[in-house]
Amino acid sequence: GESVGLHLPTLSVQEGDNSIINCAYSNSASDYFIWYKQESGKGPQFIIDIRSNMDKRQGQRVTVLLNKTVKHLSLQIAATQPGDSAVYFCASKRGSARQLTFGSGTQLTVLP
Amino acid sequence: EPEVTQTPSHQVTQMGQEVILRCVPISNHLYFYWYRQILGQKVEFLVSFYNNEISEKSEIFDDQFSVERPDGSNFTLKIRSTKLEDSAMYFCASGANAGSYNEQFFGPGTRLTVL
Repeated sequence: GESVGLHLPTLSVQEGDNSIINCAYSNSASDYFIWYKQESGKGPQFIIDIRSNMDKRQGQRVTVLLNKTVKHLSLQIAATQPGDSAVYFCASKRGSARQLTFGSGTQLTVLP
Repeated sequence: EPEVTQTPSHQVTQMGQEVILRCVPISNHLYFYWYRQILGQKVEFLVSFYNNEISEKSEIFDDQFSVERPDGSNFTLKIRSTKLEDSAMYFCASGANAGSYNEQFFGPGTRLTVL
C-alpha cells in the first residue's frame, strides 16, 4: 500500500536560518504532493503543493522539491521565523483518488 | 477568508454511546472529507463525500461510521457505538476542484475522548 514517511521527527533551527524538511514516499504512482503546517490545537494548513510533472515549485519563502527517481520531496523554508514553529506534514495522492495519505510529521522549532 | 468550521471543539463520551461531529465546509465547495488523528500519530483518511454520496472510504470507516449532509451547509460524521480506540482528533476538510489536483482545506478539528 501507499505510505508516506518523514526522515526526522524533530528539527531545530536558528531564527533567520533556512529550514529543510524531508519526506519519502513509497508509491511511484503518487502524482500530487502537498505540504501542510499544523500549529498546536489547529487543523492542517495548506502551505504548497506540487504535481509529479514538476520538480520544483516556489511560494512565498517556501520551496518544494520533488525527486521522483528516489521518491523524495522536501520543503525549504527561507529565513525561518518564530511563527514557522509547528508540525509539518507531507501528504500525497495518486490518480483520480481524492484521499490524501499523510506522513508522520516533523516538529520544527525555531530558536531565538 | 472563508474557512471550515467544526463543532464541538471537544467531545467527551462514554464507550458505546453515539456521537455526531459537525462540520460546516466552505460554502462553494463540492467535496467533503473526514480525517482523524490519534494522538502522536499520522493524520488518516476516513471518507470522502461528493454529490450526496460516499466516493471513497478507508478500512477505518466501518459500519459504525456514517456521514450525512443534512442540509446545504452542514456535513456530519456519526459514530454509532463508540469504542475507546475511537479517541482521536477528527478533522473535516472540503475542496472545490473537480480535477485530480485538489487542495483540501481543513477545519480546526474536534477532539473526541471516549471513556
